[in-house]
Formats: sequence, structure tokens, C-alpha cells
Amino acid sequence: QLQLQESGPGLAKPSETLSLTCTVSGGSISSSSYYWGWIRQPPGKGLEWIGTIYYSGSTYYTPSLKSRVTISVDTSKNQFSLKLNSVTAADTAVYYCASRKGAYSSGWYDYWGQGTLVTVSS
Amino acid sequence: FMLTQPHSVSESPGKTVTISCTRSSGRIASNYVQWYQQRPGSSPTTVIYEDNQRPSGVPDRFSGSIDSSSNSASLTISGLKTEDEADYYCQSYESINLVVFGGGTKLTVL
Repeated sequence: QLQLQESGPGLAKPSETLSLTCTVSGGSISSSSYYWGWIRQPPGKGLEWIGTIYYSGSTYYTPSLKSRVTISVDTSKNQFSLKLNSVTAADTAVYYCASRKGAYSSGWYDYWGQGTLVTVSS
Repeated sequence: FMLTQPHSVSESPGKTVTISCTRSSGRIASNYVQWYQQRPGSSPTTVIYEDNQRPSGVPDRFSGSIDSSSNSASLTISGLKTEDEADYYCQSYESINLVVFGGGTKLTVL
């Protein structure tokens, strides 16, 4: 059974870069059966997909954030990371990392981290 | 495309409720639909994947379907329990591996 844990600062300043890491345990991030994703949820609002990475390094981003987002993977540490630059208050949210079991354009998020609240404020 | 869900639904314990998820463009059958349950303060969990499949541990009171005529997916929960009160999100894909979530539906069991 996979376990995912987000880590990183809970506070980011406007115009700076938000950085989070997701550590995967209980399985290999190099598994060909999984994609790895970041999803966020602003307070009181719905889920918003940010992006996905495959162990090979292939990435897919939501169009609205594509210019500000980078997702990377470190297979040696069994981790993947999120960087979101030029943040504003609108980026305040609970950020989840999740594993997606399945193939290209299919599959479901079977394991989620507990989520970490990132607040953007000066 | 967008996935549109009702903002909220409510029903009494023991009854049956159906939550819809309408795809704005493209065929609903083009990509599988998943449904996630999110209780307050918790991470989402999958209740339906690949249109109508239940993960192990999800009671058979939960079922999913798609309707090509209305271009929508539905989550049906029968024999409602107070523990089913939660937010429910549908999710599907663009053909280029992009993920789309619906806006979520708040289910109240009263």
C-alpha cells in the first residue's frame, strides 16, 4: 500500500516561488503502473488539478497554470516535487500529492497525501 | 472541456440519491469517469473508477454509470447513511492526458 507525504513551507510570499515535495513509500515511484500528480483545493472550494509526472520525466500541466508550474521527479529519493512561481493570494490552498494508477489519459487517484496548507501572504 | 455537477443535493437516510456530472464537449464515453468522496478535513477517496467500478472496501450501495444521450455520468448512492454526507467530485480526462475535475457536489443526508 502506497503512502504519500507532502512537505514544504506552509507560507509563501507574493511573487515568490512555492515549493513542495511528495515522498512516496510502500512502492517505487519508478513503477510503470503509476502517474504522480499534484492537486490543490482553495479554502472552501473544489479540487483543481495542477499537473502530473511519469517516472520517465514526462509532464502534463493544467493550461491555466502551465506558465508558472514545474513538476519534477527524483527516482533515487522516491520523491516528486512541485514548484509554482510568481504566487499570489489566489494560490492559497491545500496542496495534495496523489498517485494515479492507470495508463495515459486513464486511471484513478488511488492514494493521496494528507494535504498541506500553503498560505500566500506577506 | 468542463464537467458540471449540481452544487448540492440532499436526501433522507435510507433513500437513494443520484449526482450527475455533465461533460460540456466531447463524448462522455471517450474517457473513463471517476468519482471521489471527500469528507470534511480529509483527503479525497475513490468510490467509483472507470465509470462503474468500485474499489475494494467501497460498499455496493455506491454505483456509477454513464449516459451517452445526456453526455453525462452519474453516481448513485442507495440506502443512504449519515456517514455518506460529504462532497463528491467527478473526474475525467482530455485526450492528451490532462485531468479534469467537476466542481463538486455537497451531499447532505438529513
